[in-house]
Amino acid sequence: GAGVSQSPSNKVTEKGKDVELRCDPISGHTALYWYRQSLGQGLEFLIYFQGNSAPDKSGLPSDRFSAERTGGSVSTLTIQRTQQEDSAVYLCASSFSAAGGGWPHNEQFFGPGTRLTVL
Amino acid sequence: SQELEQSPQSLIVQEGKNLTINCTSSKTLYGLYWYKQKYGEGLIFLMMLQKGGEEKSHEKITAKLDEKKQQSSLHITASQPSHAGIYLCGAFTNAGKSTFGDGTTLTVKP
Repeated sequence: GAGVSQSPSNKVTEKGKDVELRCDPISGHTALYWYRQSLGQGLEFLIYFQGNSAPDKSGLPSDRFSAERTGGSVSTLTIQRTQQEDSAVYLCASSFSAAGGGWPHNEQFFGPGTRLTVL
Repeated sequence: SQELEQSPQSLIVQEGKNLTINCTSSKTLYGLYWYKQKYGEGLIFLMMLQKGGEEKSHEKITAKLDEKKQQSSLHITASQPSHAGIYLCGAFTNAGKSTFGDGTTLTVKP
């Protein structure tokens, strides 16, 4: 079946511009995660959605970052007024949720990522 | 916040040799995930460990969770070039916030 898809696969933008990244999770997965991976770095957690709500937004690096999820499916990560330090691969993952949304979180299926380059 | 430290950062082994990668948490581990990442590809789920003392195996990869030591180890037996990649450990809070280690880069020489 179809896995997690992300678009665009690559995005080059100028400093100061806004960008929107899209994630299509696996059908039926209620949990959705956004991560950022900078060159040579590990994964940095950004935000987690359970359905359409995000219990914890503290991972977002700044107020220029926002994310939404509608219909319990597609999610968009928006970065306003992009800066060069925003350049990274942005990864999305989805999973089935554990009962009550608590531990354990089930296996996450990752998308291929969007490589963002801010010039 | 919970931090995960992986060791070693990188590892080069001869094909056929065994190896171990460790992941140590700064806080109590309620569970831990291991993923593998190859350059240019997405992350591949390897295992999820939920209980102290739990050990899981898949093909030649075995992972253990030691809650007392707040540590997990990933062991590969008779390494193959296909095992090469970056191994990441990750932990989650009940609120869904997750933390990943910086990864261990494994190179397997034929």
